[in-house]
Amino acid sequence: EPEVTQTPSHQVTQMGQEVILRCVPISNHLYFYWYRQILGQKVEFLVSFYNNEISEKSEIFDDQFSVERPDGSNFTLKIRSTKLEDSAMYFCASRGGRDRHYATNEKLFFGSGTQLSVL
Amino acid sequence: QQQVKQSPQSLIVQKGGISIINCAYENTAFDYFPWYQQFPGKGPALLIAIRPDVSEKKEGRFTISFNKSAKQFSLHIMDSQPGDSATYFCAATPNTGKLIFGQGTTLQVKP
Repeated sequence: EPEVTQTPSHQVTQMGQEVILRCVPISNHLYFYWYRQILGQKVEFLVSFYNNEISEKSEIFDDQFSVERPDGSNFTLKIRSTKLEDSAMYFCASRGGRDRHYATNEKLFFGSGTQLSVL
Repeated sequence: QQQVKQSPQSLIVQKGGISIINCAYENTAFDYFPWYQQFPGKGPALLIAIRPDVSEKKEGRFTISFNKSAKQFSLHIMDSQPGDSATYFCAATPNTGKLIFGQGTTLQVKP
């Protein structure tokens, strides 16, 4: 089965530093997402990206966050000035649907995540 | 309301038993209800999904029951196996493509 690849698997940074989390979505997919999961809590939506622009973002996704698809294969999440509360597992996800609505049993493929620790 | 409420938080079941996880929602605009399974160190993976025009969907040992009037849906795992031990998340989407996840249920199936 195709996979979403995320790097690095672990990232440790100092508060106030910038981090870039990288993802390679599945090659023919059109919709891309970032989610995060604070330890022991639910998976939370951050942002969706389609046709080279943000299609939706959550309240968590403030001005400190940005996403980019620089070269047609990578999909990055940048946090400009990290805070302690940004510590979480960040998941990239992609799906191949031609419509923003899910087809029945359409899979949203998640990567294995990047564990971000802000010290 | 954008929340999906999930219960129980944790569940212990004997091998061969039935595991039942429940979810409730408020937003009638939700039109797609998937269940995801997550093993430690991995991202969530789609298990089974249902639309509100169907009251039940079964795939192998996994069944979703959907009650549109009560705005509730549940996952039943029949003949639970130790390999089913994982965290299960229900989710819903309000026509925009983003998934709103429940809090998760940690299932332990004892041999």
